[in-house]
Amino acid sequence: KAGVTQTPRYLIKTRGQQVTLSCSPISGHRSVSWYQQTPGQGLQFLFEYFSETQRNKGNFPGRFSGRQFSNSRSEMNVSTLELGDSALYLCASSGGLAGAERADTQYFGPGTRLTVL
Amino acid sequence: SQKIEQNSEALNIQEGKTATLTCNYTNYSPAYLQWYRQDPGRGPVFLLLIRENEKEKRKERLKVTFDTTLKQSLFHITASQPADSATYLCALLSGTYKYIFGTGTRLKVLA
Repeated sequence: KAGVTQTPRYLIKTRGQQVTLSCSPISGHRSVSWYQQTPGQGLQFLFEYFSETQRNKGNFPGRFSGRQFSNSRSEMNVSTLELGDSALYLCASSGGLAGAERADTQYFGPGTRLTVL
Repeated sequence: SQKIEQNSEALNIQEGKTATLTCNYTNYSPAYLQWYRQDPGRGPVFLLLIRENEKEKRKERLKVTFDTTLKQSLFHITASQPADSATYLCALLSGTYKYIFGTGTRLKVLA
C-alpha cells in the first residue's frame, strides 16, 4: 500500500507570495490533517478534512486555508506569505472514525519544507 | 488552557540501558494517548496507542504506561540501541478530530 505523498518536497517563496501544497492520502483513508512544524513550536494542528468537509481547525490566521477533493486528496494554501511561515508542513491521513484505534492512527507524509525569504 | 509537556528536550543514554520519556498533560481528559517517532527530515511514525482504561501496553522493546490520575504517560525503550535515536512525540486527541502534540524529546543512544 502506498504511503502518504506530499508535493512539492521543497519550496522557496518570497514574502507576500502565496503557495499551494498538495497531499495524497493512503488509499481508502478519508481523513486528512495538516500540521505546521517549527523548531520553536513543534507540531501545530492546522485543520482536518473528512469527505470534503473541514471538521476542525487550529488557531491559525485566515491566510491558511485548505480543501479536500472527492478522491480524498487535499491541498492547503497560504496567502500573503510571511517570514514566520517558514516551516515543515506535514499532512497525515487516517480512516477518520473517532474512537477506532486503527482508524484513528495517523500516517504522516514526508512533509513540504517551505522557506520564505 | 490545554497543554502537553514532554519532560526534556533532549536525553542521552548509554546503549543497552532503558530510556524513559515522560509526557504530562493538563486540562484534558483524553480517551487515549499516542506515541510517535520522528527522524530528521521525515514525518512522525506511529508507535503505540494506549487507552484511558489501560494501565500499560507493550510492543517488542517498547512499553507505555498511562496514569489518568497523574495525567501522565511514560514511554520506555528497553535495551536501547543507537538506531533508537530519534525524536519521540506524544499526542492526545483534543475534542474530536484534532490532535495535540507535545514538543518532543530528542533521544540519543550512545554506543
